[in-house]
Amino acid sequence: DQQVKQNSPSLSVQEGRISILNCDYTNSMFDYFLWYKKYPAEGPTFLISISSIKDKNEDGRFTVFLNKSAKHLSLHIVPSQPGDSAVYFCAAKNFGNEKLTFGTGTRLTIIP
Amino acid sequence: ETGVTQSPTHLIKTRGQQVTLRCSSQSGHNTVSWYQQALGQGPQFIFQYYREEENGRGNFPPRFSGLQFPNYSSELNVNALELDDSALYLCASSSGGALYTDTQYFGPGTRLTVL
Repeated sequence: DQQVKQNSPSLSVQEGRISILNCDYTNSMFDYFLWYKKYPAEGPTFLISISSIKDKNEDGRFTVFLNKSAKHLSLHIVPSQPGDSAVYFCAAKNFGNEKLTFGTGTRLTIIP
Repeated sequence: ETGVTQSPTHLIKTRGQQVTLRCSSQSGHNTVSWYQQALGQGPQFIFQYYREEENGRGNFPPRFSGLQFPNYSSELNVNALELDDSALYLCASSSGGALYTDTQYFGPGTRLTVL
C-alpha cells in the first residue's frame, strides 16, 4: 500500500525554467510534509517542509504548495540550475509520529 | 558541527549471516531512525530510537534489531540475512523525539549486498 506516490519517475527541465515535482498521498492523517533531495552515493538532504495548517511555504528558489482537499503537494524550483539535478523524494508524517513515509522519488535532470 | 556518519560504506555478506551497521548522530541530536532503501524505491522506516529506547517500528521482522548508546550513536543488527535484505541502509538523526515535528538529517548510507 503506497501511501505517498510520486507518479513521475523522471523529469527534464531546461536551465533557468521552472521545475515542478508532484506528490500525492492517500493517508488523511498525514499533517506534515517534507521534500528531500538525493545525489548518488549520498544520503537524502532536507530541502523544505510544510505543515497542514499552511498551503504554501517558500525558501529561496524552492516553494512547496499543499492542497489538502486533493491530497496533493508540489515542489517548485525557480529558476532551475544544473546543481538541482538529483532524485527528489516527497515524505509525509503525522505530527508526533516518528515515522517518515516516502514516495518512490522523481529524478530531475536540468538541461544546460 | 559534524553531520550524520555511517559505517561501513559497503558490505557484502552471504545468506544466513549476521550484520551490524553503525551510525553516529549529528551533534545535539538524541533520536536516531533507520530506513531501508531498495533499488528504485523510497526509504522504508525500520525503527527509531529515542534516548536509548525503541520509539516506534515499521513493518520489519524481529531479525532486524537495534541499539542506541548513551552518546546517541546507534547500531542496526540484521540476523539470518536474506537476499531481499540487499539495500541501502540509511540512518537519520533528529532532536526532540517523537513529540516534535522535527527534521531528520540523513547519513550517506551503508550499501549491503547479500549473496
